[in-house]
Amino acid sequence: KAGVTQTPRYLIKTRGQQVTLSCSPISGHRSVSWYQQTPGQGLQFLFEYFSETQRNKGNFPGRFSGRQFSNSRSEMNVSTLELGDSALYLCASSLVVGATNEKLFFGSGTQLSVL
Amino acid sequence: TQLLEQSPQFLSIQEGENLTVYCNSSSVFSSLQWYRQEPGEGPVLLVTVVTGGEVKKLKRLTFQFGDARKDSSLHITAAQPGDTGLYLCAGAGGGSSASKIIFGSGTRLSIRP
Repeated sequence: KAGVTQTPRYLIKTRGQQVTLSCSPISGHRSVSWYQQTPGQGLQFLFEYFSETQRNKGNFPGRFSGRQFSNSRSEMNVSTLELGDSALYLCASSLVVGATNEKLFFGSGTQLSVL
Repeated sequence: TQLLEQSPQFLSIQEGENLTVYCNSSSVFSSLQWYRQEPGEGPVLLVTVVTGGEVKKLKRLTFQFGDARKDSSLHITAAQPGDTGLYLCAGAGGGSSASKIIFGSGTRLSIRP
């Protein structure tokens, strides 16, 4: 079974630009969540989607947005990039919504550098 | 706000030595997970502990959940270079949402051959 696929793996952008990252979950997984990982802040929750609906959103500005398609694939978008947006962006998929012990399967991430 | 503190932040030891990393909180979690993340990759789930006092073993790794479900430890016996990586604990506050999972800051482990 293929794992979680994130594209692209690396991205270099300049301040003010926008970026779209893609995530394909494990087949059959309907829940997708996104995280930002930086050395200083660790793993921080961005948002979570299930059945094309955003279920929860973390404490990030409105420049960060996302969506989920009917095939469970998800995209996240960051507009008006700032230097502080440089980070590893991780996507995770999970199988069961309603379980008390959510198990997350992470992709390899997209390393975004903002110059 | 629930917080998970991991210690130590960094650990560099010789191959063959034993080590323990800790994950502490003032909050109670319904379950606690441990992940290992290698450079350039996403975290990979190692284990989930659910019951207070629970001990789980995964080859040379031993995971323990505190009796009060507020803390956990990971003990590695006879560490090997392949154990190198970032170890993350993550506490689940109950419910089915990923937003309920709180990640610790991580312990970066380096095993010298």
